[in-house]
Amino acid sequence: DGGITQSPKYLFRKEGQNVTLSCEQNLNHDAMYWYRQDPGQGLRLIYYSQIVNDFQKGDIAEGYSVSREKKESFPLTVTSAQKNPTAFYLCASSIRREGRNEQFFGPGTRLTVL
Amino acid sequence: AQSVTQPDIHITVSEGASLELRCNYSYGATPYLFWYVQSPGQGLQLLLKYFSGDTLVQGIKGFEAEFKRSQSSFNLRKPSVHWSDAAEYFCAVGATASKLTFGTGTRLQVTL
Repeated sequence: DGGITQSPKYLFRKEGQNVTLSCEQNLNHDAMYWYRQDPGQGLRLIYYSQIVNDFQKGDIAEGYSVSREKKESFPLTVTSAQKNPTAFYLCASSIRREGRNEQFFGPGTRLTVL
Repeated sequence: AQSVTQPDIHITVSEGASLELRCNYSYGATPYLFWYVQSPGQGLQLLLKYFSGDTLVQGIKGFEAEFKRSQSSFNLRKPSVHWSDAAEYFCAVGATASKLTFGTGTRLQVTL
């Protein structure tokens, strides 16, 4: 079955540590996205990528970094510069960045920084 | 700038009753519109989408939505709610797949 995999489902880290969240898709989609979800705030875009080796900042990119070395993979690193990293992180993909395409979402990773 | 308003944070309906979740958007042209559903601790699942054409859109799980340009609305409806519909519902608007703005969500509770 095609889909988006995020791992791990739950992640705990100490304050000041960098942490990397995994996102893999086998849908052959060109575009991939990272969102942060906080209660009562909906989804906010962190980064997106439309092709390999290219990515753009979203609305809240500060304290985060990404890479896109393979079409299938779009890992997100939450750095120690992110002031409030505890949140639910969602990865998504779409066939292309433009046009009449919807985004498909992974199951999410809940990050808790202690 | 585009924006989405979901005025109802929390709605409670009885099983078997009808449901309408409100979504109002602000956008300069005809946008792409989406409704997603999220169960607790899960990702988002697409219920339905509107790109153009017929303003009444049918989706999965018996949901439908109507695009009303004059009211800048895209309300989600279901004639008879099931207990399994309890979840959080998000409306989203955008010009392309990559430029989506999500509402803050409406949490639906279903009483038996």
